[in-house]
Amino acid sequence: DVKVTQSSRYLVKRTGEKVFLECVQDMDHENMFWYRQDPGLGLRLIYFSYDVKMKEKGDIPEGYSVSREKKERFSLILESASTNQTSMYLCASSSRDQETQYFGPGTRLLVL
Amino acid sequence: QKEVEQDPGPLSVPEGAIVSLNCTYSNSAFQYFMWYRQYSRKGPELLMYTYSSGNKEDGRFTAQVDKSSKYISLFIRDSQPSDSATYLCASLAGGTSYGKLTFGQGTILTVHP
Repeated sequence: DVKVTQSSRYLVKRTGEKVFLECVQDMDHENMFWYRQDPGLGLRLIYFSYDVKMKEKGDIPEGYSVSREKKERFSLILESASTNQTSMYLCASSSRDQETQYFGPGTRLLVL
Repeated sequence: QKEVEQDPGPLSVPEGAIVSLNCTYSNSAFQYFMWYRQYSRKGPELLMYTYSSGNKEDGRFTAQVDKSSKYISLFIRDSQPSDSATYLCASLAGGTSYGKLTFGQGTILTVHP
């Protein structure tokens, strides 16, 4: 069974803080993704990675960065959190030769 | 215009009803089509997967893709309260796309007893 875990289910941070969201998958998947989900907007891709140390911008990368130092781990970094980054953050992974993505449970981030 | 458009609803139906969820897409390169189900406060989980045009059935669920009209549908027969969730359609282009899915906005479905 594929398992994608995220470091926190709920997080409350203050404006200007640096925020780290961690994602770990245990299926040796090459591809990993970070999305944010907002009502009425669906899932929007922030960044993705297709290999260790490789990263590509998604549709809304501004204000975010990522790190992939190990194959199983993909981190999302909010350099200086702002209130408009309050959202549900979802991590997903997929293998190179499969089309389906497997999602983690999500992190609900509130920036005050 | 978003590449995948989905009516966000919300949709409310009585138990036992047939539910039809729909998406349209604009990118002709899309070849793989999926439906994800997301329960409240959980991550999405894959429900149905279809390659190219045609129908696929799994129990009470049928996924349908019409590439000529760029239309994606999910039908739920004999709907149950446990089907209450957000349903997301997603599409993937063929070739080297690194598995990058394009999602619709999601439709919130409530099945009431």
